[in-house]
Amino acid sequence: DAKTTQPTSMDCAEGRAANLPCNHSTISGNEYVYWYRQIHSQGPQYIIHGLKNNETNEMASLIITEDRKSSTLILPHATLRDTAVYYCIAFPTGGGNKLTFGTGTQLKVEL
Amino acid sequence: EAQVTQNPRYLITVTGKKLTVTCSQNMNHEYMSWYRQDPGLGLRQIYYSMNVEVTDKGDVPEGYKVSRKEKRNFPLILESPSPNQTSLYFCASSSPGTGAHTGELFFGEGSRLTVL
Repeated sequence: DAKTTQPTSMDCAEGRAANLPCNHSTISGNEYVYWYRQIHSQGPQYIIHGLKNNETNEMASLIITEDRKSSTLILPHATLRDTAVYYCIAFPTGGGNKLTFGTGTQLKVEL
Repeated sequence: EAQVTQNPRYLITVTGKKLTVTCSQNMNHEYMSWYRQDPGLGLRQIYYSMNVEVTDKGDVPEGYKVSRKEKRNFPLILESPSPNQTSLYFCASSSPGTGAHTGELFFGEGSRLTVL
């Protein structure tokens, strides 16, 4: 699975958009980009995933660059409850045996 | 409500005393897995199961056993716990993809285990 690189931490003001970057320059054509988050030692929670096109759901938007070497998770109106560790994961379209979680980005949303 | 349920949520035990952490899912998922999470090491897979009676080792299986007699249950067994198994444990499940599972895993709330 491709390695992903994320900043260690980020801050965001409540109500503003949180833009979390992820670098996956070695991603292959048959790997999705998945995003999860983990709120304070709770179980990780799936957010969104994409392959080539931008994706949006009720939680977030995912913007993938045309060359697929990086992506950005956007929380359009961050709230205090969005404070969490966010993980960007490359995962084969054909499925796999496990998700490989890196160290993620600690997002802190402040008043 | 779709969920993965783990028990116990918290446990303090002593070295060598066998224990079982139960995991149950109500989504009829075929794939289930156990992870442990430790500071600085992130989440690491212990065992996984692609279906009933089918289990396989993950990255850190030593000291653990699992069984999958029913689709909904996937207990984690520590036959002789040691202090290095003190950790936060997560069970997860997923519907199958064309591979073992899709990338959308549903995780339990976690079980914090301390071995003295």
